[in-house]
Amino acid sequence: KQEVTQIPAALSVPEGENLVLNCSFTDSAIYNLQWFRQDPGKGLTSLLLIQSSQREQTSGRLNASLDKSSGRSTLYIAASQPGDSATYLCAGSNDYKLSFGAGTTVTVRA
Amino acid sequence: NAGVMQNPRHLVRRRGQEARLRCSPMKGHSHVYWYRQLPEEGLKFMVYLQKENIIDESGMPKERFSAEFPKEGPSILRIQQVVRGDSAAYFCASSPTTGGLNNEQFFGPGTRLTVL
Repeated sequence: KQEVTQIPAALSVPEGENLVLNCSFTDSAIYNLQWFRQDPGKGLTSLLLIQSSQREQTSGRLNASLDKSSGRSTLYIAASQPGDSATYLCAGSNDYKLSFGAGTTVTVRA
Repeated sequence: NAGVMQNPRHLVRRRGQEARLRCSPMKGHSHVYWYRQLPEEGLKFMVYLQKENIIDESGMPKERFSAEFPKEGPSILRIQQVVRGDSAAYFCASSPTTGGLNNEQFFGPGTRLTVL
């Protein structure tokens, strides 16, 4: 069973600073890892999907890496903006089920 | 291409009533997943369905919960005789017809169930 952990639980940074969000998982036989954004009371927006054969994915200011051997994924958000304030979730799957971390709640101060 | 649609967005039920949650997957997606987010907890897998088939319901409580995805119409998550502990956000996700591994799941806005 895949267990996913996210540390820290909360993060507050000034606008313009780069964000580094960490995710660790227990089973290296992971098929893919997906990063989501969740705004309060809202659904999940998929940010990036990294397949097991990939090392990283990039979209705009976002970059996510995957290291299966160490059981870690990192989401980098460059030049943070107040609009980036949200909870970020990572989820790993060994089949079709996503196992979610508890999330990191990010506050970007203007 | 409309995203995953869920309704209602908010549902209030009294203890003992039934709750029906609906999910329409993205166009062209025939794989549907239901997840539950309890207050102050992470999202947990409940069930995986394809058209007219339940593939994996290992995350569903053994009693009172059922799910279906008929040939026509939305997927339905049904909770009978609701209790206060069922209060949560229920999310539906879908993935493309090709299904299987390495498929990105797209989530709906969720249904927030409150049991009085």
